Amino acid sequence: NAGVTQTPKFQVLKTGQSMTLQCAQDMNHNSMYWYRQDPGMGLRLIYYSASEGTTDKGEVPNGYNVSRLNKREFSLRLESAAPSQTSVYFCASSPEGLYQETQYFGPGTRLLVL
Amino acid sequence: RKEVEQDPGPFNVPEGATVAFNCTYSNSASQSFFWYRQDCRKEPKLLMSVYSSGNEDGRFTAQLNRASQYISLLIRDSKLSDSATYLCAVNRVNDMRFGAGTRLTVKP
Repeated sequence: NAGVTQTPKFQVLKTGQSMTLQCAQDMNHNSMYWYRQDPGMGLRLIYYSASEGTTDKGEVPNGYNVSRLNKREFSLRLESAAPSQTSVYFCASSPEGLYQETQYFGPGTRLLVL
Repeated sequence: RKEVEQDPGPFNVPEGATVAFNCTYSNSASQSFFWYRQDCRKEPKLLMSVYSSGNEDGRFTAQLNRASQYISLLIRDSKLSDSATYLCAVNRVNDMRFGAGTRLTVKP
């Protein structure tokens, strides 16, 4: 089992460029999440998908869109990147998305927007 | 005010020391609680869940105080390998909130 995988590992964008961060899990989990992590701010939830076909906004959704392509894959899109989106992005998954469950994280994507 | 707050540290302790971290949360609707460990430039990994009755896993003990809305992590007999950032996490349904983390360095 690879667990949660993310691509790319690193990316440099210019302001205004777009890109999609990919995430896949092979644990048959129902729920998937996208976080960003910034120094001093901790992990903040961008969007989540409680199950295939559904997505919901998290704490900091502005400037992002997501697609739950199937049960395995959950992508995050930046339509017009801004320097404020420079961050480390983590994808996570959990079996059912219920409150008592922990989440399993991917290795992260480091994004620099110039 | 952040919903989940931790002392950022850093905590620098010698090998063998006992160290304790606290984490406070503001939302009384929070349902479940966790401690994660994050190594430098790596993803967070679950260290332990925190139960109302308190729980222990080897050298690690976690406590929850719902009345005062805080959770704690105690590490006994610190090892060099315990050096990492420790994140507390507080969960409502599909809404996990993380603290910014407490950095621990264990020195020989």
